[in-house]
Amino acid sequence: DSGVTQTPKHLITATGQRVTLRCSPRSGDLSVYWYQQSLDQGLQFLIQYYNGEERAKGNILERFSAQQFPDLHSELNLSSLELGDSALYFCASSINPGTGNEKLFFGSGTQLSVL
Amino acid sequence: GQQVMQIPQYQHVQEGEDFTTYCNSSTTLSNIQWYKQRPGGHPVFLIQLVKSGEVKKQKRLTFQFGEAKKNSSLHITATQTTDVGTYFCAGFNSNTGKLIFGQGTTLQVKP
Repeated sequence: DSGVTQTPKHLITATGQRVTLRCSPRSGDLSVYWYQQSLDQGLQFLIQYYNGEERAKGNILERFSAQQFPDLHSELNLSSLELGDSALYFCASSINPGTGNEKLFFGSGTQLSVL
Repeated sequence: GQQVMQIPQYQHVQEGEDFTTYCNSSTTLSNIQWYKQRPGGHPVFLIQLVKSGEVKKQKRLTFQFGEAKKNSSLHITATQTTDVGTYFCAGFNSNTGKLIFGQGTTLQVKP
């Protein structure tokens, strides 16, 4: 158990809909990362937050947005869903990003299926 | 933008054979990390390399960081069925603040 909690584990929805994925980082970790993993694909970096502020942005679509709340949990919002958005979405947390110690602890992921 | 390439994408070996995966970055890295993802699981941190030319060992696994800090490799000696999974390298660039993962190498080990 990495200590990172993601909910829900599975999500099935239809095209055009909007969903919210939730992540609670490990106790003490200030930074949260979101990654997308499609079938047979690597981990595509979406966005990173540190202590409530956006720290780095990757290939995140305009239809997607995220935020980190004062209690450090994070939510990833996916809207106007398309079939191609079906993927495994991972959240990860770390202690000290940017200090040379960016070891990530991953949650179990949310499997999103858009039908 | 920053890219991290990893080869090969897939590798099938007989149990007992060696295995190597290679990682190359388009930019100089501050550090490189390696993760292992078992089938159906999530990535798990293996190691971080920081210094130019650094070599670290974990039992049968040997990790190297290139002199120019743009490439890295993971070598497994005498593979076992427990080594099955996808191995990812991830390069951190302190200028961009991004940790970019390679595409991963999926290792299959035939008993």
